[in-house]
Order: sequence, then structure tokens, then C-alpha cells
Amino acid sequence: IAGITQAPTSQILAAGRRMTLRCTQDMRHNAMYWYRQDLGLGLRLIHYSNTAGTTGKGEVPDGYSVSRANTDDFPLTLASAVPSQTSVYFCASSDVTGTGIDTQYFGPGTRLTVL
Amino acid sequence: GQNIDQPTEMTATEGAIVQINCTYQTSGFNGLFWYQQHAGEAPTFLSYNVLDGLEEKGRFSSFLSRSKGYSYLLLKELQMKDSASYLCAAMDSNYQLIWGAGTKLIIKP
Repeated sequence: IAGITQAPTSQILAAGRRMTLRCTQDMRHNAMYWYRQDLGLGLRLIHYSNTAGTTGKGEVPDGYSVSRANTDDFPLTLASAVPSQTSVYFCASSDVTGTGIDTQYFGPGTRLTVL
Repeated sequence: GQNIDQPTEMTATEGAIVQINCTYQTSGFNGLFWYQQHAGEAPTFLSYNVLDGLEEKGRFSSFLSRSKGYSYLLLKELQMKDSASYLCAAMDSNYQLIWGAGTKLIIKP
């Protein structure tokens, strides 16, 4: 693999179900991010991780959790999905340089529909 | 609060030039990014400005004025494949990106 991969590509989920979106990068980037993108709105940050073992909350973290056990993987879990979580989810990664966070590179996205 | 404003949609003709404007208000500032996003695809990086002035990359150029909280993306010699959404994002003092909603650019033959 090269770059960032996400799985699944798309998913239809019943409300109340638990779901994990997977994200893997092979660029050895320190930082990783989860965004959601909704029509008419900018990308909104859900959670981020600046390095393996650490995570932080973004703008819209409620209903989502993440873990960062190693450099490459950054899964996003919806504990109990609700229809308002219907969205396109993008995972991104960037390298952390001495002057701050570098350019973010995006995975292909997961289209999630919660019914 | 933090805010990014850019036009929702623009239309231009193949072969012409188009300028997409972006204004931003952030808590601190660590640079301005432009991304391109084709329908159904992921955003891809176009440019980064942190100092005032114009950065040119082939047919695409990006300008920044920090004092005015203003940037623009200039696309020259437009091609049909340039039909896409263009996302403006400002990096705040915490090195988080604040994103605009994107400008959908429609290219007509």
C-alpha cells in the first residue's frame, strides 16, 4: 500500500449499532486525524493524534472515540450510531516538523449512512 | 470565533482565468492551505502560504495577505479537469486546520 487507506469504502448501518472505521498509513507520519464532511459545511475535525499513544478531541468529538496503539493505524469508533452521524469520513495524516504540523494528506474516505 | 469564508460556487470558461477568494479569522495563524477536491474523492493538497505574497506553481498561484486575513487561488488556462471544489483552510495557533465550506468551480466549454 502507498499513502492512506480507509475501510470500508461505504457502509449502511442501523441506528444503535457499533461501528469502527479503519485507517492505515504507510508514510510513517506522526500525526493522524479524523474529519467528517457534510454538504455545505467545511471539514470538521473529530479527533486527532499527534503521535502514537496520544489522542485529542477536535471540534465535534461527541459520539466518537479513537485509539492510536501504533504509528500506522488510527481507528474511529461510533459506540452507538445515530442518524446525525451520516456523513463522509476522511482520515488524514501529516508529519510533525520542528516548526509545527506539516501538510495533511487524505485517505479516500468512508461514506457512512445511519438509518 | 474562528471562521473561513469563500464563495459557494463559481463558473468560468475553458481557457480563461479564475480567482477564488478566501477570508479567514483564526486564533493565531500558522499558514493558509488550498486543497482541490473532485466530486466523490479526497481533498488533495495544492498550496501553502505563510508569508505575504504570491506563490506560483504552474497554472495555479496562491496569494496571502496576513494583515487583511485574505487569500486567493488563481487558476490560469482553465481545463475541464479543473472542475472541482477548492477548499481554503487556515492553521490556527494550535496547528489545527480550520476549513472553509469550499468553492465549487464549474468550467464551461
